[in-house]
Amino acid sequence: GAVVSQHPSRVICKSGTSVKIECRSLDFQATTMFWYRQFPKQSLMLMATSNEGSKATYEQGVEKDKFLINHASLTLSTLTVTSAHPEDSSFYICSARSGNSPLHFGNGTRLTVT
Amino acid sequence: KNEVEQSPQNLTAQEGEFITINCSYSVGISALHWLQQHPGGGIVSLFMLSSGKKKHGRLIATINIQEKHSSLHITASHPRDSAVYICAALNNDMRFGAGTRLTVKP
Repeated sequence: GAVVSQHPSRVICKSGTSVKIECRSLDFQATTMFWYRQFPKQSLMLMATSNEGSKATYEQGVEKDKFLINHASLTLSTLTVTSAHPEDSSFYICSARSGNSPLHFGNGTRLTVT
Repeated sequence: KNEVEQSPQNLTAQEGEFITINCSYSVGISALHWLQQHPGGGIVSLFMLSSGKKKHGRLIATINIQEKHSSLHITASHPRDSAVYICAALNNDMRFGAGTRLTVKP
């Protein structure tokens, strides 16, 4: 079945640094990728939707200059958390789809900002 | 009021019981997803529905577009079904229910 690989699975960084999270579709071309954030004991929150070759569409309240999303190819999207702060500590998950196919999820990245 | 409402929030069942999780939405959708999230955080998309009913193994998902309601059923539940189940309404963007935490006891 379709596989989405997300890397890294865990990252600890210092406040003020930037962290890049990669999301790759391994066996299909992901025309659309979604990035989500999940705080403890809460449901998923969509952060942004990115279509290959286009600028990402951010949800209300998500700072596009802080959460940089690049979807430069049909198999790779990256989320960069810039100037990270402790309140950015969260679980970040990507999903990908080809056309109107079902979503396939990465395993998530647990970010801790100290 | 949330655009996607799920019930119940928490559900504990004995192994073998029939489980139903409900999802009501108030937005227009092109499809509705049922997701399963395990304690480690990994998410699997169980179903994508735009009409009718789908079945996969012991899992059944139904949707009524007119009533804007979907249900996820688990037959002969098993402890390995313990997870958080989330419904997600997809149109131009995606809206999530708060999730249902299911615990199946042996």
